[in-house]
Amino acid sequence: ETGVTQSPTHLIKTRGQQVTLRCSSQSGHNTVSWYQQALGQGPQFIFQYYREEENGRGNFPPRFSGLQFPNYSSELNVNALELDDSALYLCASTKGGGQGNSPLHFGNGTRLTVT
Amino acid sequence: GEDVEQSLFLSVREGDSSVINCTYTDSSSTYLYWYKQEPGAGLQLLTYIFSNMDMKQDQRLTVLLNKKDKHLSLRIADTQTGDSAIYFCVASDSNYQLIWGAGTKLIIKP
Repeated sequence: ETGVTQSPTHLIKTRGQQVTLRCSSQSGHNTVSWYQQALGQGPQFIFQYYREEENGRGNFPPRFSGLQFPNYSSELNVNALELDDSALYLCASTKGGGQGNSPLHFGNGTRLTVT
Repeated sequence: GEDVEQSLFLSVREGDSSVINCTYTDSSSTYLYWYKQEPGAGLQLLTYIFSNMDMKQDQRLTVLLNKKDKHLSLRIADTQTGDSAIYFCVASDSNYQLIWGAGTKLIIKP
């Protein structure tokens, strides 16, 4: 069973640039969630994708957007990067639309630094 | 909205039991989870409990749920240095979104 994989592991960008982070879900999982974890804090829910559509969103501005592909992999795009976007971005996969009743399985994250 | 609270630090001696506590506000939370995060790593699901259960045991881990008081605890028996990590308590709210505590850093003293 293949776990959740994320790429790249580390990334450095400049304020105002755009970034794309990628995630492959665990085999058998059709739902992908993205979280932002700032240093010393718990993860904050960004959004979730199920059947290639966003089916839940946290308190993040529209410059955070995403995609899910037919193979259930996903991308997180962030436009007009700000210094406060520096964080660990975590992808998690699960089954069945993510109704909070099936555990999330996380990747190791992408560490984004915005300078 | 839903809130999950846990203390930020816990220090225990190697070999002792660790008990990490958590309180949540949404009584409709159906599932409650414990995740572990080691330095520089992603999040590892440790265990979870359904709201109709009082207790769940899995090897060295024991989860206790007091639904009336909305209190969840994680007990780690015979704490080892490899248990050093941050432990997150997570509850689902009435919209099935997951609400995370700030995490408890477990420090092991030799």
